Amino acid sequence: GDSVTQMEGPVTLSEEAFLTINCTYTATGYPSLFWYVQYPGEGLQLLLKATKADDKGSNKGFEATYRKETTSFHLEKGSVQVSDSAVYFCALRGGTALIFGKGTTLSVSS
Amino acid sequence: DAGITQSPRYKITETGRQVTLMCHQTWSHSYMFWYRQDLGHGLRLIYYSAAADITDKGEVPDGYVVSRSKTENFPLTLESATRSQTSVYFCASSRQGTEEQYFGPGTRLTVT
Repeated sequence: GDSVTQMEGPVTLSEEAFLTINCTYTATGYPSLFWYVQYPGEGLQLLLKATKADDKGSNKGFEATYRKETTSFHLEKGSVQVSDSAVYFCALRGGTALIFGKGTTLSVSS
Repeated sequence: DAGITQSPRYKITETGRQVTLMCHQTWSHSYMFWYRQDLGHGLRLIYYSAAADITDKGEVPDGYVVSRSKTENFPLTLESATRSQTSVYFCASSRQGTEEQYFGPGTRLTVT
């Protein structure tokens, strides 16, 4: 069945460092892909999405490109801030429901 | 604009007890979902509903019951709680099945 694999955490960075969180997927067809973010004590919020190959989703300085050839949707940010500390989930839409990766915890220190 | 709310936010119950987690949304979204979040598993779908009186199983439905008599409410019931159901439960809604899902703040349930 469909699945999402994302890099294990935690990821620990200093402020202004470059961030990459890897995400690859297995799916039939070409699903929509998402990155969700969960701040401490809160629910998940949609960070960005891409609905077809070569689409780039972007929001709040984060970007991810839908790569069909490598079945990947890696999350990047050029300069992280302390406020970016959170858990990041990669997901795909398998039919109606979302299928999530296990999440990657990002901790940014000043 | 209340959005999507869950209650209670925290619950401790004993093995074998029945417990109901509530989810309410004010957007009149057609679709509602229940997920559980466990370390090492991410979020897994328990049940979802496409409209009032229409529900369907997700990946991990065993031990849970849902109902949806009104569009805005989607309660999740654990009929006889077990320790393996200790988790954080998230409710979500979306206008259509193919659109963005909005998540509630979660309910942390501990079964002792």
